[in-house]
Amino acid sequence: ETGVTQTPRHLVMGMTNKKSLKCEQHLGHNAMYWYKQSAKKPLELMFVYSLEERVENNSVPSRFSPECPNSSHLFLHLHTLQPEDSALYLCASSQELREPGLQFFGPGTRLTVL
Amino acid sequence: GQNIDQPTEMTATEGAIVQINCTYQTSGFNGLFWYQQHAGEAPTFLSYNVLDGLEEKGRFSSFLSRSKGYSYLLLKELQMKDSASYLCAVRDSNYQLIWGAGTKLIIKP
Repeated sequence: ETGVTQTPRHLVMGMTNKKSLKCEQHLGHNAMYWYKQSAKKPLELMFVYSLEERVENNSVPSRFSPECPNSSHLFLHLHTLQPEDSALYLCASSQELREPGLQFFGPGTRLTVL
Repeated sequence: GQNIDQPTEMTATEGAIVQINCTYQTSGFNGLFWYQQHAGEAPTFLSYNVLDGLEEKGRFSSFLSRSKGYSYLLLKELQMKDSASYLCAVRDSNYQLIWGAGTKLIIKP
């Protein structure tokens, strides 16, 4: 595997379900990000982790709970979601948190909340 | 507040040239990025501008004017595979990326 991978690619869940999204980066990067992408809206930064510590939480509802067990893996735990949470959830990584470099993205998880 | 504006959708013809504009108002500036995103796929990096002027990379070029808060992405010799969304993003003084909503480019034969 190379780059940034995400599983599952598609997820349909009810509002009472609990599920988790997984992201893995094979680039040796130290920073990882969760974004929400809704149709015709800018990417919304949800969480940022640097060296396994959360450094940013952009007013995300508590029904979204991130976890970063090591610098290669990032999870987004979901519970009691709302239909408006349906979106594409993108994971990204970068070498360091603050640097001139790039963010590399995974293909995303298309989430539908019924 | 911080804001990135780009057209929602553009249509162009195969073999032609298209220019996608991006204007921004941000708290500070530490570089501007263009990403390409095909439907159902990851955004992939296209170009980076931090100084004024034109950066050319094959069929794609990106221009920046910091005084005007303006950038454009120029795509030449359009191919059907260029049909995608193009995302403009600016890194602000806190090194946070501020994203535009993206421009969906439709290429017609």
